[in-house]
Formats: sequence, structure tokens, C-alpha cells
Amino acid sequence: TQLLEQSPQFLSIQEGENLTVYCNSSSVFSSLQWYRQEPGEGPVLLVTVVTGGEVKKLKRLTFQFGDARKDSSLHITAAQPGDTGLYLCAGDSQGGSEKLVFGKGTKLTVNP
Amino acid sequence: DTGVSQNPRHKITKRGQNVTFRCDPISEHNRLYWYRQTLGQGPEFLTYFQNEAQLEKSRLLSDRFSAERPKGSFSTLEIQRTEQGDSAMYLCASSFASYNEQFFGPGTRLTVL
Repeated sequence: TQLLEQSPQFLSIQEGENLTVYCNSSSVFSSLQWYRQEPGEGPVLLVTVVTGGEVKKLKRLTFQFGDARKDSSLHITAAQPGDTGLYLCAGDSQGGSEKLVFGKGTKLTVNP
Repeated sequence: DTGVSQNPRHKITKRGQNVTFRCDPISEHNRLYWYRQTLGQGPEFLTYFQNEAQLEKSRLLSDRFSAERPKGSFSTLEIQRTEQGDSAMYLCASSFASYNEQFFGPGTRLTVL
């Protein structure tokens, strides 16, 4: 069974601080996706990383895929209250299945 | 492109009743997925379709659950004889077959009393 472990589970910071959240697995994924979800809404796709060692930037968000394609990180620079939400990582499962396997998420609160 | 839509957004039902949810995917997408999310958890896969064919079902999908995509466009998820444990957010997503980036709808929140 493929599992994705996300840490920390909860994070509360002040506006302007930097933060990093992690997504780890013992399994190899051919791609990994990051989503942000707000209460009562569906997840919104932020980025997909495919190549080991890949780094992608989305404004103040930097995503990295581990060299072995087993882990990923999301770094936010100068966090803003609008960044508040649940950050989920998801990897495509192996064995020919098209389903995504999700972590439990990191709940981020950015206080003004 | 209006994104993935789901109806209803909220459903409250009594235990034992049947419920049906609808998902309209992004129009060009030929793959459609159903997930379930409970409080404090990430979404869990239920089933997916490529066009009208249901290609995979999770062991989470008991006999009380059935999903259809009759014309390869919208899909319905029916739960028969609902139980309190069925209370969850039901999420639909769609993608192109050749590129597994899944785009989610807003979800249907089911509460079984």
C-alpha cells in the first residue's frame, strides 16, 4: 500500500514568515501533485512535478520533487493570510492504476 | 471552461434513504473520478471512468454504492440504504487520459442522520 506522510499536520504562523511543508513516502511516484483546499470546497491544483530533482515556482511558492521521486516539499516565502488552507500532496499510484493517493494534508493558518 | 461542477452541494438524509449525486466534468476531459473525504483525512479514491467505461473500483465501494457515466459525459454516484458512516464530502475530478492532472469539483457534503 502506497502511503504519503505529510508534516507538520498543523502550522500556525504570522504574516511575512517563511515556511516549508513536507510530503514523504517509501514508494516511488512517477508524478506528484500539490493541492490547496479551503473548508467546504474541493482541492485546487497548484502544481505537478514529474522529474526527480525538479523545482517549480508559483509566485511565492516553491515546489521540489526529491531526486528519488519519493518525497516533495513546498516552501512559501513571506506568507500571507490568503495562503491559509489545507495543503495536500498526491501521487499517482503504481500498477497501472490511475487513482491518486493523498496524504492527510498540512493545515496552514497565516495570522495577520 | 467552467470547471468541474457537482450537485447538490449539500445533502442531508436519514439513515436508510437512497441519495444520488451528479458530476459534470470539464468538457474536453475523458476521465472522471470519484473520491470520498472525511474530516482530517485526504481524499480517498472510489472509482473512475474513461469515457463511459468504469475501469477501476476501490474496495471502499461497497455494494450499496453504484456509479454510472452513461454517455461519457456527466456521472452519477448513488448510495443506497445510507448509513451514518457514509457521511463525508464526495468529490469528483476529471482529467485527460494521457496526462493524469486531476481537477476537482467543489464536492457534495453528505450528512446522514
